Amino acid sequence: EVELLESGGGLIHPGGSLRLSCVASGFTFSSYAMTWVRQAPGKGLEWLSAIGGSGRDTSYATSVKGRLTISRDNSKNTLTLQMKNLGAEDTAVYYCAKYYYDILTSPNNWLDSWGPGTLVTVSP
Amino acid sequence: SYELTQAPSVSVSPGQTASIPCSGDNLGNKYTSWYQQKTGQSPVLVIYQDGTRPSGIPERFSGSSSGNTATLTISGTQAMDEADYYCQAWDSSTLVFGGGTKLTVL
Repeated sequence: EVELLESGGGLIHPGGSLRLSCVASGFTFSSYAMTWVRQAPGKGLEWLSAIGGSGRDTSYATSVKGRLTISRDNSKNTLTLQMKNLGAEDTAVYYCAKYYYDILTSPNNWLDSWGPGTLVTVSP
Repeated sequence: SYELTQAPSVSVSPGQTASIPCSGDNLGNKYTSWYQQKTGQSPVLVIYQDGTRPSGIPERFSGSSSGNTATLTISGTQAMDEADYYCQAWDSSTLVFGGGTKLTVL
């Protein structure tokens, strides 16, 4: 059974940085692309970033490009998201999710497993 | 940037059919997926490749896509289907979500 578990959320002051982790189990982690999606309180889903199975290929949403770095450690089955210069608009639940295929550029791909999410609150 | 538009809310009576549309430019030529999110829970994939159900998803969930609109249909809607539903497609190698539709079963 696929399991994803995010951690690293909490209270962050404006202008600060965060590092979120997602530990995966139940599948061959290095064989699948992974992604981060966030959801602000009472709002919809917003895709942030994705990374291929090998870690070589990455993509970012235009809205957060330059502030985010996605990475992975396949030896530890861990996906990581680093985000800097946080503002109130970054307050959200951050989810990691697994792609069905290890292809970042395919229009025929979907998110077949999601973690429970970790809450990040940006406040003075 | 590419946008997917969903109605904020849809209401349906128990046992009836709910249709949840999602519109986007030339969406019928892309693949659409659908996710169900119940209150306080993470999203769950219910439809991929426009109309394919993952294992474990009830047969009452189906999907279709044509022209500029993809539609999630729930036949014989049950109280447990009350949730937010999000459509998703790809554009320029980025993943795009619709704004979500709150399905109320009353």
